[in-house]
Amino acid sequence: AQRVTQPEKLLSVFKGAPVELKCNYSYSGSPELFWYVQYSRQRLQLLLRHISRESIKGFTADLNKGETSFHLKKPFAQEEDSAMYYCALTAGYSTLTFGKGTMLLVSP
Amino acid sequence: DVKVTQSSRYLVKRTGEKVFLECVQDMDHENMFWYRQDPGLGLRLIYFSYDVKMKEKGDIPEGYSVSREKKERFSLILESASTNQTSMYLCASSSRDRAAWGANVLTFGAGSRLTVL
Repeated sequence: AQRVTQPEKLLSVFKGAPVELKCNYSYSGSPELFWYVQYSRQRLQLLLRHISRESIKGFTADLNKGETSFHLKKPFAQEEDSAMYYCALTAGYSTLTFGKGTMLLVSP
Repeated sequence: DVKVTQSSRYLVKRTGEKVFLECVQDMDHENMFWYRQDPGLGLRLIYFSYDVKMKEKGDIPEGYSVSREKKERFSLILESASTNQTSMYLCASSSRDRAAWGANVLTFGAGSRLTVL
């Protein structure tokens, strides 16, 4: 069975500090990984996915198959990054499996 | 610009009542999903549908049913609401651009917050 683990329920940082939201997964094959984000009073939306290998709003995430991780990183956090972040995985023809989410709070 | 519309933003129901949550999308998407979102538990899939009149159970289907009579509409039904179904319910849709359809990007609705007393 596929599983996504986000070990931190809450991550609190100061503006300008680096941010790393952790995501580990369990799946023996070749999964596709995503990060979804929900800002306050907004809809859940896609932030980025590993196949695109893109940087969105300064965030990047690299799939590390050896460590089965897909950590989300940003070198300098901004207050507007405060949100709930969900890591998600799909494998083969399965539906998305979401992690339990990490709330990021960026203080001024 | 709203693409996935959930008919009720807030509902308060009593234990044992039948509850309908409606979701409509205007993107001509084939796939539609119902999730519940609970603090500390993340998003859990209740049911999904990949075509009209088709439905598949997700991870937590017990106590729920769904209906998809038209492509754009996907309804979630609680036959007899219970207090443990108090939650935020999210509807989502996705296209079938890719055969590995879990990989298609989900577009979410604003959510329906249900309280069962």
